[in-house]
Amino acid sequence: DVKVTQSSRYLVKRTGEKVFLECVQDMDHENMFWYRQDPGLGLRLIYFSYDVKMKEKGDIPEGYSVSREKKERFSLILESASTNQTSMYLCASSPGTGAANTGELFFGEGSRLTVL
Amino acid sequence: QQQVKQSPQSLIVQKGGISIINCAYENTAFDYFPWYQQFPGKGPALLIAIRPDVSEKKEGRFTISFNKSAKQFSLHIMDSQPGDSATYFCAATIIHSGGYQKVTFGTGTKLQVIP
Repeated sequence: DVKVTQSSRYLVKRTGEKVFLECVQDMDHENMFWYRQDPGLGLRLIYFSYDVKMKEKGDIPEGYSVSREKKERFSLILESASTNQTSMYLCASSPGTGAANTGELFFGEGSRLTVL
Repeated sequence: QQQVKQSPQSLIVQKGGISIINCAYENTAFDYFPWYQQFPGKGPALLIAIRPDVSEKKEGRFTISFNKSAKQFSLHIMDSQPGDSATYFCAATIIHSGGYQKVTFGTGTKLQVIP
């Protein structure tokens, strides 16, 4: 089974702090994604990466950055956390080219961030 | 800009009844339409998906109906069970030739199946 692991399930940070959210996948997937989930808004794409050291902005990248130094690891960084970044953050991965890419996303269990 | 509109926001169904969730999309470039199921404390997981050249897909008690001309698709859960209580997200995907996909999600429907 594909496993996508998010290292922190719950975090509480203060306004202005730098926050790192880590995600690791064990299926050699090329693509990795960061979403945030908010009630009534669904899942919104923050950033994605289709290869090591490659990154693309999603729909709501403002206030966030990402890092992908190794294929299996994709990090989301909040340089200066703000209260409006309180949310559930979901990491996902998917295979790249070829028959393995059915379009399915494999999600982690989420990291709930509260910014005070 | 909401590219995938989902309704209702919440749904209460009696055990054994039919649950119906509807979605509408705007972009005709979408080429894959999945439904994800999310239980509390868990990440979403793929439930069932359809490509736009098919009008219906059934897997067990779950059926997707797809109307390409109307740009609408829906999830039907037959014989709904309390274990189906979860949040359901429709989505629309563009799979790029480079191998990555851009997935746009609906806003979610919280389904509660009561005994």
